[in-house]
Amino acid sequence: GENVEQHPSTLSVQEGDSAVIKCTYSDSASNYFPWYKQELGKGPQLIIDIRSNVGEKKDQRIAVTLNKTAKHFSLHITETQPEDSAVYFCAASKSFQKLVFGTGTRLLVSP
Amino acid sequence: DTGVSQDPRHKITKRGQNVTFRCDPISEHNRLYWYRQTLGQGPEFLTYFQNEAQLEKSRLLSDRFSAERPKGSFSTLEIQRTEQGDSAMYLCASSSKGRDTEAFFGQGTRLTVV
Repeated sequence: GENVEQHPSTLSVQEGDSAVIKCTYSDSASNYFPWYKQELGKGPQLIIDIRSNVGEKKDQRIAVTLNKTAKHFSLHITETQPEDSAVYFCAASKSFQKLVFGTGTRLLVSP
Repeated sequence: DTGVSQDPRHKITKRGQNVTFRCDPISEHNRLYWYRQTLGQGPEFLTYFQNEAQLEKSRLLSDRFSAERPKGSFSTLEIQRTEQGDSAMYLCASSSKGRDTEAFFGQGTRLTVV
């Protein structure tokens, strides 16, 4: 079955810096790759996603890139703010069914 | 609020007791998912429904676990004879088949088995 690896497990940046989180997946049939942000005690919140027919997608300060050949996808957050501090999860899915999640990245943005 | 709703938010139970959780999906969504999340880990898939049909179950879903979605609306997840290893956050998500099928999660039910 699908396996998703996520790095780094923790990431500390200064406010205004950029943050990059990387994921790899194993199943070449996966075609949908969402990213979720989870704050303490809350459920995951979808922040951006990308489908396999697209190489890059951007939404304001957040962007995601996908390299299908290498089975890599990454989340890029620019101009980080303290409210970006949370745990971020990548996930992979075939045909928009069950999601297989990475192990999470705890992002800490210091003022 | 028209998001995914889960009840209760927190449940503390003694080992060996049965517990039941409820999930109300976003009203127009016909797919409903259950996930389990332990501390420091990503959510793990348990099962999913399309309308009232349970289409897939994970091996994580032992015979002590049962999920239902009568009439294709709300869903319940029951755990019988709870064990300490069942302590986790149980998350429900819903999505709509046939269009942009992003899955939206509820706030979860945190189960503590003592």
